[in-house]
Amino acid sequence: DTAVSQTPKYLVTQMGNDKSIKCEQNLGHDTMYWYKQDSKKFLKIMFSYNNKELIINETVPNRFSPKSPDKAHLNLHINSLELGDSAVYFCASSQGILAFFGQGTRLTVV
Amino acid sequence: GQQVMQIPQYQHVQEGEDFTTYCNSSTTLSNIQWYKQRPGGHPVFLIQLVKSGEVKKQKRLTFQFGEAKKNSSLHITATQTTDVGTYFCVTPAYGGSQGNLIFGKGTKLSVKP
Repeated sequence: DTAVSQTPKYLVTQMGNDKSIKCEQNLGHDTMYWYKQDSKKFLKIMFSYNNKELIINETVPNRFSPKSPDKAHLNLHINSLELGDSAVYFCASSQGILAFFGQGTRLTVV
Repeated sequence: GQQVMQIPQYQHVQEGEDFTTYCNSSTTLSNIQWYKQRPGGHPVFLIQLVKSGEVKKQKRLTFQFGEAKKNSSLHITATQTTDVGTYFCVTPAYGGSQGNLIFGKGTKLSVKP
C-alpha cells in the first residue's frame, strides 16, 4: 500500500481555471505538508497542517488553499491558475522525525 | 526565516570518483536530515543527525554534523550511476521535531559511466 498518495499525477489546465490536488496518507501521521518544486528543483514549503493548526508560508498567494477533511487527507485547491503555477507539487506527511512524500503532481498551466 | 545554504548546486563526476555536498546554517540547528530525490521521483529520507559532531555511515555514504551544529556534509565514496539524483539537507523550521521542514536548494549529482 502506498503510504502517501496524491492524485492526479499529471494535470494540464488552462489559465484562469480552478483545480484541486488530493492527498491521502495511511501512516497515521499528525502532520501533512504541501511543497512546490519549480523547474530549478527548489523545494519550497507551502503549508503544513498539524492537529488542525495550519502554518502558512507567507509567500504563498491566497489563490492556494489547503483543505483537510480529516487527519488522513490534505487537499490543495488552487483558484485562478496562472502560468507561474506550473510546477511539481508534493504532498508529504510526518510524525516528528522524517517525512514521507507522495509521488508528486506535475501541474502544467497553458 | 531559518534557512540552510547548500553547495555546490551541481556536481558532475566520473563513476568511481568521490562526491561531497555541504550544508551551512547561520543558526544552531536542533537536527539535520538528508533526503535524496532521483530524477522524476520524490524525495526520500536518508538519515537524521542530532548530536554535535555526529558521524553516520550508510555503505558508501558518510554523513557528518558539525561540532557547532551549524553545518553538515554528505560524502559519497566511489560514486556509482545509481547515486544520480538531487541531495537535499533539511532542517525543521522551528528548531524542533515538528513544524515545517525547510529544504536546502539541493545538490544535483550526475555520474558519468
